Amino acid sequence: GAVVSQHPSWVICKSGTSVKIECRSLDFQATTMFWYRQFPKQSLMLMATSNEGSKATYEQGVEKDKFLINHASLTLSTLTVTSAHPEDSSFYICSARDLRGQTGELFFGEGSRLTVL
Amino acid sequence: SQKIEQNSEALNIQEGKTATLTCNYTNYSPAYLQWYRQDPGRGPVFLLLIRENEKEKRKERLKVTFDTTLKQSLFHITASQPADSATYLCALEKHLGNTGKLIFGQGTTLQVKP
Repeated sequence: GAVVSQHPSWVICKSGTSVKIECRSLDFQATTMFWYRQFPKQSLMLMATSNEGSKATYEQGVEKDKFLINHASLTLSTLTVTSAHPEDSSFYICSARDLRGQTGELFFGEGSRLTVL
Repeated sequence: SQKIEQNSEALNIQEGKTATLTCNYTNYSPAYLQWYRQDPGRGPVFLLLIRENEKEKRKERLKVTFDTTLKQSLFHITASQPADSATYLCALEKHLGNTGKLIFGQGTTLQVKP
């Protein structure tokens, strides 16, 4: 199946700093990617939809100025957590759909675990 | 509001038995439903998709049913193996249409004991 890669897989930062997470589709082009957040023992919560060449659309309750999304090319979306605080510590996962298959499933990255001290 | 519920209690079964996981939803009329597997610290992996006009779908030892009247999907793993131990998530499209925005249940953790 299609491959989605995330980097870094884990990151520890100090409170107040910004952290960038990259999501790449390795063998297909993705005009749309999705960013999810997952807290321990909870389900994935959709944060935003990343659109290539245009602004991201955010789900209700997600601060767009806090979580900056840039979809610079058909294979790369980045999520920047700005001025991170301990409550932002979570598992961030991106996903994309390979439209060539037209089967509807999402391909997920391996996730990035953010710990804010 | 739209809601997806899975049994939050872990399911413990003996190797070789059939595991059955349940996914119920409310305030939805989904065109299809998906099941994913998630291992600890990893991203979800797609397993099966079943459409509203399909009652049942199979893939190797996996079987999914979809009852749009009961608003329920059942996920079965036959001849279960310890390697099947993971958290299983069901997911639906958040909106009508093929937007790719999925809403996930909280997942059921399956533990298969040798």
